[in-house]
Amino acid sequence: AQSVAQPEDQVNVAEGNPLTVKCTYSVSGNPYLFWYVQYPNRGLQFLLKYITGDNLVKGSYGFEAEFNKSQTSFHLKKPSALVSDSALYFCAVRDRDTGRRALTFGSGTRLQVQP
Amino acid sequence: EAGVTQFPSHSVIEKGQTVTLRCDPISGHDNLYWYRRVMGKEIKFLLHFVKESKQDESGMPNNRFLAERTGGTYSTLKVQPAELEDSGVYFCASSHSRTSGARGQETQYFGPGTRLLVL
Repeated sequence: AQSVAQPEDQVNVAEGNPLTVKCTYSVSGNPYLFWYVQYPNRGLQFLLKYITGDNLVKGSYGFEAEFNKSQTSFHLKKPSALVSDSALYFCAVRDRDTGRRALTFGSGTRLQVQP
Repeated sequence: EAGVTQFPSHSVIEKGQTVTLRCDPISGHDNLYWYRRVMGKEIKFLLHFVKESKQDESGMPNNRFLAERTGGTYSTLKVQPAELEDSGVYFCASSHSRTSGARGQETQYFGPGTRLLVL
């Protein structure tokens, strides 16, 4: 079975400060990892994914995430937060060693960036 | 390129009624998925189509839910009869299968969701 934990329901940061949204995962095999963002009244928007290779993945809007196999983590980061980054962020995983395509999501973390 | 579209955007029905949700995937995407988020919890997988075939329906909660994808294009998800616990946001996603290299790494692109409220 696979699972994702996003330990923080909400993260508050000041504009211009660095932000981190935490994600840890559990799979029996090797993971594919994804981050999605949901802006108010919008659908899920793909941000970035880890497949293989370089542990630091760069995505849209200046976001990046670091895959850490020993800590089974895939934290989302941005060096300088913008007010427009305020949204709901979801981490997802799928086990690449199975034939299933289903993503397993975390419960989401609401990011609030204050001006 | 148009994204994944879903209809309706919102639906309010009474317990016991029937609701049908529709999803139009990105053109050319043979994989289509249904997910739902209930009561602000995590987003949960319902099922996966490859073209018109159900590849994985392990997430379907019970036989009140029926998904179809006739012709391998758009898909419908019918809930009959609806119960209070079916309230939530139903998301559809689509992806294009890789024909070489590592499979399964393709990105799933999501629609805006249908917000279902069962009273």
